[in-house]
Amino acid sequence: SQTIHQWPATLVQPVGSPLSLECTVEGTSNPNLYWYRQAAGRGLQLLFYSVGIGQISSEVPQNLSASRPQDRQFILSSKKLLLSDSGFYLCAWSTLAGGIREQFFGPGTRLTVL
Amino acid sequence: AQKITQTQPGMFVQEKEAVTLDCTYDTSDPSYGLFWYKQPSSGEMIFLIYQGSYDQQNATEGRYSLNFQKARKSANLVISASQLGDSAMYFCAMREGPEVTFGTGTKLQVIP
Repeated sequence: SQTIHQWPATLVQPVGSPLSLECTVEGTSNPNLYWYRQAAGRGLQLLFYSVGIGQISSEVPQNLSASRPQDRQFILSSKKLLLSDSGFYLCAWSTLAGGIREQFFGPGTRLTVL
Repeated sequence: AQKITQTQPGMFVQEKEAVTLDCTYDTSDPSYGLFWYKQPSSGEMIFLIYQGSYDQQNATEGRYSLNFQKARKSANLVISASQLGDSAMYFCAMREGPEVTFGTGTKLQVIP
């Protein structure tokens, strides 16, 4: 069965510090991978998605970046965090293989920038 | 322009009653998919139901059904026989190719 892991679960970082959030998927190959951000009480904002290794599509220009160094690994990074980067970050995967249509979400990372 | 619009920030429903959560979408792609997810206070995203743009029948999953009106570009979620555990945020989403975008959500509260 497929599983998706995200870490850390919670993170408190000072403004201006770097960020690295990691997401890994098990039990599937060549998934589409996604990073979303959810501000408190708000909807999900699509940040990045990837259809393959090294292929990143950015939805919102900002101080965040994403990388996919391996097929089932998706990393969200920042060189200098802003207060506005606080939120709940969700990684997700999807595939059209085998009739699977929906996205599967990780448990999320709650980031607080102080 | 917003691709997914959920116009109801919050809804109340009496336990055991049915409730409809609205969702409209905007796309020029003939092939797309529509989803509904539930997000309880724990933060996890729970998949509820899926409707493909070429599906002839409205999707149903247990107490959940999707009222798909293609010409109106609407994909409302109907929850029958509401339960207290249905209290949560509900998100409508649309897939166009690999890209999936979400609406702003509706907070549903079920009243005993």
